[in-house]
Amino acid sequence: EVQLVESGGGLAKPGGSLRVSCTASGFTFSSAWMSWVRQAPGKGLEWVGRIKSKAGGGAIDYAAPVKGRFTISRDDSKNILYLQMDSLKSEDTAVYYCATDRGTLDSWGQGTLVTVSS
Amino acid sequence: DIQMTQSPSSLSASVGERVTITCQASQDISNYVNWYQQKPGKAPQLLIYDTSNLEIGVPSRFSGSGYGTDFSLTISGLQPEDSATYYCQHYDNLYTLLTFGGGTKVEIK
Repeated sequence: EVQLVESGGGLAKPGGSLRVSCTASGFTFSSAWMSWVRQAPGKGLEWVGRIKSKAGGGAIDYAAPVKGRFTISRDDSKNILYLQMDSLKSEDTAVYYCATDRGTLDSWGQGTLVTVSS
Repeated sequence: DIQMTQSPSSLSASVGERVTITCQASQDISNYVNWYQQKPGKAPQLLIYDTSNLEIGVPSRFSGSGYGTDFSLTISGLQPEDSATYYCQHYDNLYTLLTFGGGTKVEIK
C-alpha cells in the first residue's frame, strides 16, 4: 500500500525558511515522479512543483509563484522527498501535500500545515 | 500558461439527481484532464484520469468526457457521500507544468 507522510510544517516568519519532508513507502520511490501541491486556508489546490526520477532525467519544474524561492529535492536512499522554502511570504501559508505524479496525481499524503506570520 | 476555468463554483442538488461540472481550458489540451474529489480536512483523491478513465474503486456513477478545450465530470445519481469539492487538473504533454481548476463545491439539498 502506498503511504506518503508529510512532516516539518509549522510557523515561520516572513522572509524566513522552512523545510518540509515527505516519507514514502509501499512503492519504488526511486522510480517515481513526485509533486508538491498546496492549499491555502479555504482556497483551492495549487501545484507547487515536480521532481522527476533520476531515470526520467531528474528534471525539476516549479510553478511561477515559488520559482527562485522554493527547492525540491529527493533522497532515494531514504525514500524522502523534500521541499525547501526560503524567502517565505504570508501568501505561502497553506497545507502542503506531496503526491506521486505521472501527470495524474495518484496518491497523496495527509498534508502538513505551514503558517507564515510575524 | 494554460488556464482551467471550472464552473459552477458551487451547486446544491438532491439525492438521485444528475450533476454536471464543467472545465474549460484556455487552449486545446487534447485529453490531458484529470478529476479529483476532496472532502473537508482530507487530501484530494483521484476520480478520473485522462478525461474519461475511472480510477479503481471509484463508483460507476462518476463519469468524465470531453476533448480539446471543454471537459465535464458527471455524477449520475447523486449520493450523500458525494458532498465534496471537485477539481479538474491539466498536465501538459511534456510533463513540465500542472494546472488545477478553481474547484466546484457540491452540496446535498
